[in-house]
Amino acid sequence: AQSVTQLGSHVSVSEGALVLLRCNYSSSVPPYLFWYVQYPNQGLQLLLKYTSAATLVKGINGFEAEFKKSETSFHLTKPSAHMSDAAEYFCAVSGPTSGTYKYIFGTGTRLKVLA
Amino acid sequence: DAGVTQSPTHLIKTRGQQVTLRCSPKSGHDTVSWYQQALGQGPQFIFQYYEEEERQRGNFPDRFSGHQFPNYSSELNVNALLLGDSALYLCASTYDRVGETQYFGPGTRLLVL
Repeated sequence: AQSVTQLGSHVSVSEGALVLLRCNYSSSVPPYLFWYVQYPNQGLQLLLKYTSAATLVKGINGFEAEFKKSETSFHLTKPSAHMSDAAEYFCAVSGPTSGTYKYIFGTGTRLKVLA
Repeated sequence: DAGVTQSPTHLIKTRGQQVTLRCSPKSGHDTVSWYQQALGQGPQFIFQYYEEEERQRGNFPDRFSGHQFPNYSSELNVNALLLGDSALYLCASTYDRVGETQYFGPGTRLLVL
C-alpha cells in the first residue's frame, strides 16, 4: 500500500534562509507525487508535481523538488524564504497503477518564517 | 474561469443530524473527489465520483454517501453525525486520468456539537 511520511510537523527558518521540507513515500513503483500548500482557512493549492518526465521539478513561488528513487524521497526546497511562505505544506502520492485515483497525503509540515 | 466552489463555507450541526455539502468542479473537469481534513491532519480520501458513479472509496463508513449530477457537480451527505465528524471537508476536481492534478476548493468547515 502507498504511504507518505513528512518528517517534521513544524519547521522554522529565518527570512532569506533555505527552506527544506522532507517527504518520503512508499510505493512498489514510482508514483505520481505532489506538493500542495494550504494557507489558513483556505483549500489546497498545487505547488508542483512529479510525473516521471524529469527528476527535478520546478513549481510556483520559487519552490522546487527533486525525485530520488533510490531514497524514495521528494523533498521540497526554496533557496530563500519569504514571510509569505508561512503556511502548511502537504506531500501527496497517487497512482500510477490503473484505478488508483485517490491522493494519499502526509500529515503536513507547518512552516514558520522568522523576521 | 471559475475554480472549484463549495457551499456552505461553514456549518454547525448537532450529533445525530444529517448534513449535505455541495461542490461545483472546475470548468471542464468531469471527476470529483471528497476529502476530510481533521484539525492538524492531512486530508483523508472519502470517495471519488465519475460519470455519476462512485468509482473509488476510502475507509469511511456508509454514513458517508455522495452523488454526482449530469453537470458534474457533486454532493456529500453524512448521516447520524458524530462529534468526530467535525472537520474541513474538501472537494477536488480533475480530468479522468490517473495522475492528473486535482484542484481543490476552499472547503466546508463542519462543526458537530
